[in-house]
Amino acid sequence: GQNIDQPTEMTATEGAIVQINCTYQTSGFNGLFWYQQHAGEAPTFLSYNVLDGLEEKGRFSSFLSRSKGYSYLLLKELQMKDSASYLCAVGSGGGADGLTFGKGTHLIIQP
Amino acid sequence: DTEVTQTPKHLVMGMTNKKSLKCEQHMGHRAMYWYKQKAKKPPELMFVYSYEKLSINESVPSRFSPECPNSSLLNLHLHALQPEDSALYLCASSHPSAGTTDTQYFGPGTRLTVL
Repeated sequence: GQNIDQPTEMTATEGAIVQINCTYQTSGFNGLFWYQQHAGEAPTFLSYNVLDGLEEKGRFSSFLSRSKGYSYLLLKELQMKDSASYLCAVGSGGGADGLTFGKGTHLIIQP
Repeated sequence: DTEVTQTPKHLVMGMTNKKSLKCEQHMGHRAMYWYKQKAKKPPELMFVYSYEKLSINESVPSRFSPECPNSSLLNLHLHALQPEDSALYLCASSHPSAGTTDTQYFGPGTRLTVL
């Protein structure tokens, strides 16, 4: 079976840093993805990890530990526009395989 | 062009209607996907086409019929839908990669309401 857990909701302050955690138990693993989704819009790709370690892309970083089945997304210098849902997704097969998504973390940024 | 486009943006249909959702990409991607997303839920995979062949069908009811006329186009034909099929239908595409799961890029979705 596939099980991906992430917090339902988080609140953070503009200009601060927030870390969104994701744990997974899947029948296979070929990559972990983070997407941002504003209400009523499509998911937008943020980052991808397949090997252990940290990937940094501007204000966003993502970390993976395969042995622990754990990832986090780190957002720095938070802006009001970062208020959105953040979806953790795992690809179990290689190539063109569907993603299994977690339920998403609704991030609220306060002034 | 780095976009996946979907038409229409919104669709309202009765249970006896037949309609189609369309998806197009011009990124040279060779895999395309349909996902269904209900309100406040994550996307759920419906179908995957790889090199224009249906490679994954997640036990979707036959009232949903996918079609991939060429590598740039993906359709989802709808017939005799139920009100519980109302959702955001997302199309995605990806470039083939060796070994690891492809990164998928999503279109804006079609908001479907079945009356």
